[in-house]
Amino acid sequence: DAGVTQSPTHLIKTRGQQVTLRCSPKSGHDTVSWYQQALGQGPQFIFQYYEEEERQRGNFPDRFSGHQFPNYSSELNVNALLLGDSALYLCASSLVRDRPYFGPGTRLTVT
Amino acid sequence: ELKVEQNPLFLSMQEGKNYTIYCNYSTTSDRLYWYRQDPGKSLESLFVLLSNGAVKQEGRLMASLDTKARLSTLHITAAVHDLSATYFCAVESGGGADGLTFGKGTHLIIQP
Repeated sequence: DAGVTQSPTHLIKTRGQQVTLRCSPKSGHDTVSWYQQALGQGPQFIFQYYEEEERQRGNFPDRFSGHQFPNYSSELNVNALLLGDSALYLCASSLVRDRPYFGPGTRLTVT
Repeated sequence: ELKVEQNPLFLSMQEGKNYTIYCNYSTTSDRLYWYRQDPGKSLESLFVLLSNGAVKQEGRLMASLDTKARLSTLHITAAVHDLSATYFCAVESGGGADGLTFGKGTHLIIQP
């Protein structure tokens, strides 16, 4: 049974560019959440998708947007990248109100 | 706004010793998680605590939850080097929303 998968593993972008990160949930899971983890910090909740709609959002600007597809996979888009967006981006999948399982993450470096 | 505080943030201890990591949170929540993270890796789920007085144990790790005190503890018994990692507690926001608020993590180093 495949767990949560994310792509790409690593990514380097320039300030001002846009980036798309992808996540496939664990089999049977219908809810996907995204987190940003800066170096040496705990993960911060960006948003959660359920039934293809944004169900909950953390304290992140509109530059961060997402999408969930009918097969429950999800994308995270970040526009107008800033140096401070450099972080590990984690995707977590779950059933609603059940334990989240985290993927391996995408390491984004903005130069 | 929900706040989650862990202490200590850094802990160096010797193998064979016992220690406890504390996690305080600021508002009512009915679900608390403990995760482990190795350097450069993702988060591994350790425990889910769902009710007041809940206690879970796995090997040398034991977690407990006191919802009245808004406190969870992660106790390490007879530590071994393989338990060296960063440990996070995380709390659900509640009210039907289940995005997690994490503490800053406890960086644990266990020396032979």
